[in-house]
Amino acid sequence: DIQMTQSPSSLYATVGDRVSITCRASQTISNYLNWYQQKPGKAPKLLIYAASSLRSGVPSRFSGSASGTDFTLTISSLQPEDFATYYCQQSSTTPFTFGPGTKVDIK
Amino acid sequence: EEQLVESGGGLVQPGGSLRLSCEASGFTFTKFEMHWVRQAPGKGLHWVSYISDSGTTIHYADSVKGRFTISRDNAKSSLYLQMNSLRAEDTAIYFCARPARSSGSYLGFAFWGQGTLVTVSS
Repeated sequence: DIQMTQSPSSLYATVGDRVSITCRASQTISNYLNWYQQKPGKAPKLLIYAASSLRSGVPSRFSGSASGTDFTLTISSLQPEDFATYYCQQSSTTPFTFGPGTKVDIK
Repeated sequence: EEQLVESGGGLVQPGGSLRLSCEASGFTFTKFEMHWVRQAPGKGLHWVSYISDSGTTIHYADSVKGRFTISRDNAKSSLYLQMNSLRAEDTAIYFCARPARSSGSYLGFAFWGQGTLVTVSS
């Protein structure tokens, strides 16, 4: 199975900060990497698919990039509604494994 | 509006069984692959199972293989998860999810239900 790791596991930030979260796959997954945002008590929300494609309706402050088996989610200017947990997921092969998550909290 | 609504969760004893349902509406269910994803209390997301649009291709996570069975009834626009030999570690919120377009699981899960809680405890 493909293992996904994320760093950091949590971070504290202020509104307006630029935030980056990294995800690493244990083997090549091409660009089959997705990013989700989840708030407490809610279902996950797809933000980025295919490593760098912004889902319709998601603010442009969210972006994704890839370099080999390393992937990055960047929030260019953190907004109050962005405080949440973020998960990466590989969709190259089943099982479609998720990363352990990164919690973005208020500093 | 596209919608997924799960039901069937509850409290069950270890070794027991439960059948989850996911009713789809607002889109042509027969065109979409479907997935189950679970989340233990306070923990991360864990992919559980996949079924193709026709129901002919199925995949499971190793942790549930041989105990859980995914199925669908396209006439009823419904997805199911039959869970047998339940263990305490199966305690989680179970979400059904679908990709944005047909044959599009590789592009992530664009639509999710609200989830149904399964608690395995004596």
